[in-house]
Amino acid sequence: KAGVTQTPRYLIKTRGQQVTLSCSPISGHRSVSWYQQTPGQGLQFLFEYFSETQRNKGNFPGRFSGRQFSNSRSEMNVSTLELGDSALYLCASSHGTPEETQYFGPGTRLLVL
Amino acid sequence: AQSVTQPDIHITVSEGASLELRCNYSYGATPYLFWYVQSPGQGLQLLLKYFSGDTLVQGIKGFEAEFKRSQSSFNLRKPSVHWSDAAEYFCAVSGGATNKLIFGTGTLLAVQP
Repeated sequence: KAGVTQTPRYLIKTRGQQVTLSCSPISGHRSVSWYQQTPGQGLQFLFEYFSETQRNKGNFPGRFSGRQFSNSRSEMNVSTLELGDSALYLCASSHGTPEETQYFGPGTRLLVL
Repeated sequence: AQSVTQPDIHITVSEGASLELRCNYSYGATPYLFWYVQSPGQGLQLLLKYFSGDTLVQGIKGFEAEFKRSQSSFNLRKPSVHWSDAAEYFCAVSGGATNKLIFGTGTLLAVQP
């Protein structure tokens, strides 16, 4: 079974631009969660989508948004990029219950200049 | 508030020595507990998880962890460390009705030859 894939793997943007990251979950998984990882703040939960609906949301500004498609693939969008948005963005997929293992993708490394 | 504490930011052990990484959590409901490992430039890989039953959990790569409710701890252990175990280790908690993972700040493990 193929793992979680994320595209692109690396991205360089400038302040004020917007960016869209993509995540393809493991086949059969309906839940996709997004996390931001930075040296200063560590791993922080952004949001979770389950069956095309946002089910949970972390404490991030509205510039961070996401969506999920009928095939469970998910995208997250960051508008008006700031330098502090530079991070590794990880997505994780699972069947959607709390005790289930969440399988992480390799991440997208975003650098904002 | 829900939180996970990993008191050791950085640990160095000799190859062949035993290892214990500490994790304490604060969670109102019955917690589901996880240990993940991250190699440089990679996503997170699940080592083991606890959600019920036997409080001593066996994982991959020879790791084990013990859930101690009275101490709110879920420490990770390995009897004999290999050089390939050098990585960053994250403890995480979820539970209740949410799939959201709350991560500790991580422990970076270095292995001396």
